[in-house]
Amino acid sequence: DGGITQSPKYLFRKEGQNVTLSCEQNLNHDAMYWYRQDPGQGLRLIYYSQIVNDFQKGDIAEGYSVSREKKESFPLTVTSAQKNPTAFYLCASGGEYSNQPQHFGDGTRLSIL
Amino acid sequence: AQSVTQLDSHVSVSEGTPVLLRCNYSSSYSPSLFWYVQHPNKGLQLLLKYTSAATLVKGINGFEAEFKKSETSFHLTKPSAHMSDAAEYFCVVSENNFNKFYFGSGTKLNVKP
Repeated sequence: DGGITQSPKYLFRKEGQNVTLSCEQNLNHDAMYWYRQDPGQGLRLIYYSQIVNDFQKGDIAEGYSVSREKKESFPLTVTSAQKNPTAFYLCASGGEYSNQPQHFGDGTRLSIL
Repeated sequence: AQSVTQLDSHVSVSEGTPVLLRCNYSSSYSPSLFWYVQHPNKGLQLLLKYTSAATLVKGINGFEAEFKKSETSFHLTKPSAHMSDAAEYFCVVSENNFNKFYFGSGTKLNVKP
């Protein structure tokens, strides 16, 4: 089945550690996105990529980094510079045009040890 | 600038009674509008979308929404709530540009037996 796979489902980070969240899609979408979800705040855009080898900062990019070396993959690294990383992270693809919906993965919940 | 307001953070209904989840938006252009549902620790699933065709949009699981330009509203309704409808619902508006989606803060629907 076509879809988006995020891994791991749960992740724990130690102080000063970088961690990487995986996002893979087999929907043949050019556009991919990373969102952060905190209770009562909806979704906030971290980074997005319109095409391979290109990506743009979203509204809350500080403390995060991404790469887009393959169409199918858009990993997110939460760096030690992100002081409040505890959140639910959602990856999405699609929505290349405003009338097209995004498709979401099942998320990764990141917590601090 | 685009924005989305979900007027109720929590809605509680009894099983078998109607559901109304309210969404107002602001848009400088002809918007595309979406409703998504999110079950706990899951990603967002598309319920329905409006993209300038019929103003009454039917979606999955018996949900529908009506686009009212004069009221800048896109309220989600369902005639009869089911226990499985208990979840969080997000209203989303997109700009008439590439890759920009604006999320409401979400409405949690509780369904009482």
